Amino acid sequence: AQKVTQAQTEISVVEKEDVTLDCVYETRDTTYYLFWYKQPPSGELVFLIRRNSFDEQNEISGRYSWNFQKSTSSFNFTITASQVVDSAVYFCALREGSGAGSYQLTFGKGTKLSVIP
Amino acid sequence: GAGVSQSPSNKVTEKGKDVELRCDPISGHTALYWYRQSLGQGLEFLIYFQGNSAPDKSGLPSDRFSAERTGGSVSTLTIQRTQQEDSAVYLCASSYLGGTPGEQFFGPGTRLTVL
Repeated sequence: AQKVTQAQTEISVVEKEDVTLDCVYETRDTTYYLFWYKQPPSGELVFLIRRNSFDEQNEISGRYSWNFQKSTSSFNFTITASQVVDSAVYFCALREGSGAGSYQLTFGKGTKLSVIP
Repeated sequence: GAGVSQSPSNKVTEKGKDVELRCDPISGHTALYWYRQSLGQGLEFLIYFQGNSAPDKSGLPSDRFSAERTGGSVSTLTIQRTQQEDSAVYLCASSYLGGTPGEQFFGPGTRLTVL
């Protein structure tokens, strides 16, 4: 069965510091998708990124970057020069398979990030 | 250009009462999902609808929970004889399976409090 572990429950950083959120996953599938979602205090989950299991290329989007390493089953998320608006709960999620029946997301328990001004 | 909408945003009920939670997915999205977010449990999958196929109910925690999706659009999650442990935020998401796999768009959730 699939599993996602976010070992960091809460992190606090001072504004402008860099911060990395860890995500480790378990799956028996060779085809799978990994996601990061952001849940700000308003509560609505916001999609940030998706990676598929065949693409280990790291990605950078502005201040956000993601490091996907199949060898360690990790998909870590780094925020550079953090800002107060980055304060939120961040969820890592896994979706197995590629067929039409493979659909549900398995979420980690989330990491609450607080950026202190 | 509306996103996923849910109603009510908050629901307070007494133990033993039935509740209905509504989800309006994004127009054109064929897949609809319900998740539950509770303290200490994170986000848990409840049920999945895809087109006219039989729903996957494997995540429903008990037979007090049921859901339906009428006309391939609006969905209602019903909890019968509510218990205090049902208190949680119930999130609905939709996706277009013809697009990129797995990208789900979430609604704002319904916060259910069972007294």
